[in-house]
Amino acid sequence: EPEVTQTPSHQVTQMGQEVILRCVPISNHLYFYWYRQILGQKVEFLVSFYNNEISEKSEIFDDQFSVERPDGSNFTLKIRSTKLEDSAMYFCASSEHRDYDEAFFGQGTRLTVV
Amino acid sequence: AQTVTQSQPEMSVQEAETVTLSCTYDTSESDYYLFWYKQPPSRQMILVIRQEAYKQQNATENRFSVNFQKAAKSFSLKISDSQLGDAAMYFCAYRISGSRLTFGEGTQLTVNP
Repeated sequence: EPEVTQTPSHQVTQMGQEVILRCVPISNHLYFYWYRQILGQKVEFLVSFYNNEISEKSEIFDDQFSVERPDGSNFTLKIRSTKLEDSAMYFCASSEHRDYDEAFFGQGTRLTVV
Repeated sequence: AQTVTQSQPEMSVQEAETVTLSCTYDTSESDYYLFWYKQPPSRQMILVIRQEAYKQQNATENRFSVNFQKAAKSFSLKISDSQLGDAAMYFCAYRISGSRLTFGEGTQLTVNP
């Protein structure tokens, strides 16, 4: 069964460092998303991406965040200068259609900022 | 703004019995989609079941079924014949066409042998 793949599974970084979280969406999917979940809290939307541009972003997705689809398969989330409060589980998701499909989630990347 | 509320932070059920997880939502939209996701200790988000708001018939997937009450904006999940592997955090989620998923706070389900 096709699946969304995220790497790494766990990333530890120093505060102020840049991190790049990587995702390989399901191959025929066109819509890509990043969500995050701070430990013990609900899952929160960060950004959606379609046709090589951001289609929607939340108030969390400020200037320190960026997304990119550098090639035909990868979808990345970059955090330029990490803060302690960026520590969370980051989920990538993808869907084939915009209007009615559920999003398929990757297994997540646990980001720990120290 | 759309909100999703799960009023049960924790629930427990005996193995082989039935449990119902509650979810309510607030929206002014008439066309939308509702989902239940399961998050086991591995923390991966796994889709359990989905419901289109325009459909009156409640969705079912094997032992999982929903009770969708559109007028009451209620979307509960029923798990029948509970199994140990059902133990997880369950999130209710809402989405309008082309937009983000909005999640509830989650319900931690424990299955007792």
